[in-house]
Amino acid sequence: GNSVTQMEGPVTLSEEAFLTINCTYTATGYPSLFWYVQYPGEGLQLLLKATKADDKGSNKGFEATYRKETTSFHLEKGSVQVSDSAVYFCALSDRGDYKLSFGAGTTVTVRA
Amino acid sequence: GAGVSQSPSNKVTEKGKDVELRCDPISGHTALYWYRQSLGQGLEFLIYFQGNSAPDKSGLPSDRFSAERTGGSVSTLTIQRTQQEDSAVYLCASSLVGDRGDEQFFGPGTRLTVL
Repeated sequence: GNSVTQMEGPVTLSEEAFLTINCTYTATGYPSLFWYVQYPGEGLQLLLKATKADDKGSNKGFEATYRKETTSFHLEKGSVQVSDSAVYFCALSDRGDYKLSFGAGTTVTVRA
Repeated sequence: GAGVSQSPSNKVTEKGKDVELRCDPISGHTALYWYRQSLGQGLEFLIYFQGNSAPDKSGLPSDRFSAERTGGSVSTLTIQRTQQEDSAVYLCASSLVGDRGDEQFFGPGTRLTVL
């Protein structure tokens, strides 16, 4: 079956620090990969996505590259802000499928 | 343009009672999904609708759970004879066509507490 494994949190960083959240996946087909973010008190929203190998998704200074050879989709941001404090979820949707399979979520707190 | 809306935002009920949760998807979205977010289980898929049909109900945890969608729009998730383990945030999402690359747009969720 399909599954997503992402690094355990919580992660606490200082402003302007570099953020990496590791995500690896197992899929039977050729999935699309997503990062969703949940800000405090808000609903889940798409942060970025990639639908084929070597694609790079980017948004709000965040980036993730679809690596088929390592089955990974790690999220990175070069300089975080306090407003980036949120829970980040890695997810996949497989070919012929439509539902999202989510990782456990990583809570990120950025301190001024 | 309105996003996905859900009601109620909070629901407290007693064990054994039935509850109905409502989802209004984005207009024009043919695909609709229900997920559940709980502390122990993370985010779990429950059911998927394409139009008014539910081709995938594989995530419904028991026969106490059912859902319907009418007019290709509003969906209702019903939980009968609620149990304490049903306490969770129930999320609804919609997408344009239900393709694997589609962005799913999530509602704010209904927080269900079963006493």
